Amino acid sequence: SQQGEEDPQALSIQEGENATMNCSYKTSINNLQWYRQNSGRGLVHLILIRSNEREKHSGRLRVTLDTSKKSSSLLITASRAADTASYFCATDRWGTGNQFYFGTGTSLTVIP
Amino acid sequence: DAGVTQSPTHLIKTRGQQVTLRCSPISGHKSVSWYQQVLGQGPQFIFQYYEKEERGRGNFPDRFSARQFPNYSSELNVNALLLGDSALYLCASSSQGLNTEAFFGQGTRLTVV
Repeated sequence: SQQGEEDPQALSIQEGENATMNCSYKTSINNLQWYRQNSGRGLVHLILIRSNEREKHSGRLRVTLDTSKKSSSLLITASRAADTASYFCATDRWGTGNQFYFGTGTSLTVIP
Repeated sequence: DAGVTQSPTHLIKTRGQQVTLRCSPISGHKSVSWYQQVLGQGPQFIFQYYEKEERGRGNFPDRFSARQFPNYSSELNVNALLLGDSALYLCASSSQGLNTEAFFGQGTRLTVV
């Protein structure tokens, strides 16, 4: 089975609201990265958080990491219709270096 | 700077045929990884190459092989294609070391008929 699991599988919100999605993983990691994917195209890198970091911000994105619970969350504030996409967390197994394991993703729909 | 480029963007093959997919990493990146994404699922790790050496392999049959060239570009080969090999194949590049961002190309959509 895949390393990570995102929750919820699908999320539908109104434009302007905040969207929160969660990721859980199973083994020790070096880092965790969040990606966005539009309509089955390539993955767009959003943010990387290292295993010794607890929180990171980038624009409207806020990511937290709790290594004791093996979980991470991605918060998108003031959502826009253009944020409609699938979101994936990717973890690299400790010591492997950039061999990523993905969950099944969260499908976010932002309604204008 | 150009991002990760993959070719071709779309491909249709017949069962039993062989296919070669290509990836050019971001300039300066020496690590290339390949992923398979079946519709409705997350990407699955196939291979990682760093400095032309295989550094990791996912749970894929021997029909899948890859290599990295001196200019750090990479090819993924799949032999004896099955219908189940239909997927989006993604290439990611990253610079050396741990804790570096990995950037993905737009992928190659392979359809096996």
